[in-house]
Amino acid sequence: AQSVTQLDSQVPVFEEAPVELRCNYSSSVSVYLFWYVQYPNQGLQLLLKYLSGSTLVKGINGFEAEFNKSQTSFHLRKPSVHISDTAEYFCAVSGITDKLIFGTGTRLQVFP
Amino acid sequence: SQTIHQWPATLVQPVGSPLSLECTVEGTSNPNLYWYRQAAGRGLQLLFYSVGIGQISSEVPQNLSASRPQDRQFILSSKKLLLSDSGFYLCAWSVTGVGDTQYFGPGTRLTVL
Repeated sequence: AQSVTQLDSQVPVFEEAPVELRCNYSSSVSVYLFWYVQYPNQGLQLLLKYLSGSTLVKGINGFEAEFNKSQTSFHLRKPSVHISDTAEYFCAVSGITDKLIFGTGTRLQVFP
Repeated sequence: SQTIHQWPATLVQPVGSPLSLECTVEGTSNPNLYWYRQAAGRGLQLLFYSVGIGQISSEVPQNLSASRPQDRQFILSSKKLLLSDSGFYLCAWSVTGVGDTQYFGPGTRLTVL
């Protein structure tokens, strides 16, 4: 069975500071990994995904994530956040089926 | 381009009343369709998914059901709502399945009183 753990339910950070949102997964098969962002009362939007190849994945809005197979992690990073990055961020994994298993989410709050 | 619609956007229903939420996709054919529920602090839970007309797989036993009467239409229903059915319901679609991006609709906020 697959599972995803997002260790931080909330991450407060000041504007222009760097941020890292942590995600660890568990799977017995090869995985595909995703990060989605959700703004208040909206659906989810894909930030980036890892399917294969380079372990450093770049996404929209200046975000990037690194797949680390040995540590079973897929942490999301941004070198300088903006107020507009305030949102809920979800890590998700899929394997041999197309079903996505989501983490419980991390609320990123950016302060001026 | 592809778009996904959900309605209604918000809904307040009494306990024991029926439910019908609709999701439609435009600009693609034979998509995989998904219904998720998002409860506060619990992430997204996959409820149903469909790979074609009339083909529904249920992930969680509950008093909800889903139907796919047309290729790009996905309906979530209940005969009698429970308080625990409150939440944010999201519909999503994908094209090829494994490893493919799922694209989400705007969601329906359901409050059961």
